[in-house]
Amino acid sequence: KAGVTQTPRYLIKTRGQQVTLSCSPISGHRSVSWYQQTPGQGLQFLFEYFSETQRNKGNFPGRFSGRQFSNSRSEMNVSTLELGDSALYLCASSLWAAGGTQETQYFGPGTRLLVL
Amino acid sequence: DAKTTQPPSMDCAEGRAANLPCNHSTISGNEYVYWYRQIHSQGPQYIIHGLKNNETNEMASLIITEDRKSSTLILPHATLRDTAVYYCIVRERGSSNTGKLIFGQGTTLQVKP
Repeated sequence: KAGVTQTPRYLIKTRGQQVTLSCSPISGHRSVSWYQQTPGQGLQFLFEYFSETQRNKGNFPGRFSGRQFSNSRSEMNVSTLELGDSALYLCASSLWAAGGTQETQYFGPGTRLLVL
Repeated sequence: DAKTTQPPSMDCAEGRAANLPCNHSTISGNEYVYWYRQIHSQGPQYIIHGLKNNETNEMASLIITEDRKSSTLILPHATLRDTAVYYCIVRERGSSNTGKLIFGQGTTLQVKP
């Protein structure tokens, strides 16, 4: 099976712009989670989508949003970019069904965003 | 906040076993222990997880103490490619929060020739 894919892999934007990142989960996986990784804050949970519904949300401002499509692919959007949004954005997918193995999250390679 | 405590760094000689400890003294009965690792600037890689029994797979072994308050990840024959940050995470199973992993600072393992 192909792993989690994320596009684009690298992105440069300027302050005030918006950006959309894409994530394709492992085939058959229904849950997609997004994380932000910065040197100062480490890996932080952004939100999770399951069956096109946001199920969990981390402590991020409303400029960060996401959605999930019927084929489980997900996008996240950051509006009005700030310098501090420069980070590695990671997507992870899981089957999600009750039981430990099916809940395991598998991560993609990430999208590295640089805001100038 | 992360529910685990790990040493910030460890060294290991190539070819020797790497034993990475993790404390999770407040773990509850329905929480799993998961281990991931992240090689520089890549996405975290799943290694192994367990509930209360010791687990082994092709990558590593996970030893969980009887009281479940701590665990050890064992890489039996460390190679230079095992140099990475290793994260120990406790996660509730079978709930609506399962899609949310709380990462701590992890342990940076340096495998030396």
